[in-house]
Amino acid sequence: DAGVTQSPTHLIKTRGQQVTLRCSPKSGHDTVSWYQQALGQGPQFIFQYYEEEERQRGNFPDRFSGHQFPNYSSELNVNALLLGDSALYLCASSRGGYEKLFFGSGTQLSVL
Amino acid sequence: GENVEQHPSTLSVQEGDSAVIKCTYSDSASNYFPWYKQELGKRPQLIIDIRSNVGEKKDQRIAVTLNKTAKHFSLHITETQPEDSAVYFCAASNLGGNEKLTFGTGTRLTIIP
Repeated sequence: DAGVTQSPTHLIKTRGQQVTLRCSPKSGHDTVSWYQQALGQGPQFIFQYYEEEERQRGNFPDRFSGHQFPNYSSELNVNALLLGDSALYLCASSRGGYEKLFFGSGTQLSVL
Repeated sequence: GENVEQHPSTLSVQEGDSAVIKCTYSDSASNYFPWYKQELGKRPQLIIDIRSNVGEKKDQRIAVTLNKTAKHFSLHITETQPEDSAVYFCAASNLGGNEKLTFGTGTRLTIIP
């Protein structure tokens, strides 16, 4: 049984570009949450998707958007990249909410 | 919104001794408190969680205690081993309400052989 898978594992972009990160949830999970983890910090909540809709959002600008597909997989899109967007982006899946989140290994994004 | 503070930021203990990490939360409506362990370069892994209707939960060498009145909860690791070395994060959520899981800033635990 595969856990949460994320792709790509590493990504290098330049300021102003756009990026799409992908996540496949653990088998049996229907909810996907995205977190940003800066170096030496705890994960910061970006948003959560359930039934293909954004159910809740953290304090992130509209440059951050997402999508959930019928198979529960999800994408995170970031437009107009800033240097400060450099971080580890973690996807976590669960059954319906925030209890017992199962994290993926993350995508390390570097913005130059 | 919820604010979770975590102390200490770094902790070194001798192998075999106990380690305690403490967190405080601000939202009295929070009712779910998980702890995650993140080894270097790896994903955060849930190690134990507790709901607000219990004061303590134990799983082998790991225990979590919750004081709702004071709004703080703690992770206790007994008989520490080198493989316990990692960064530990506490978190809080109001399940059924505002819900989103808010994390603390992490504690880097080093076990000295």
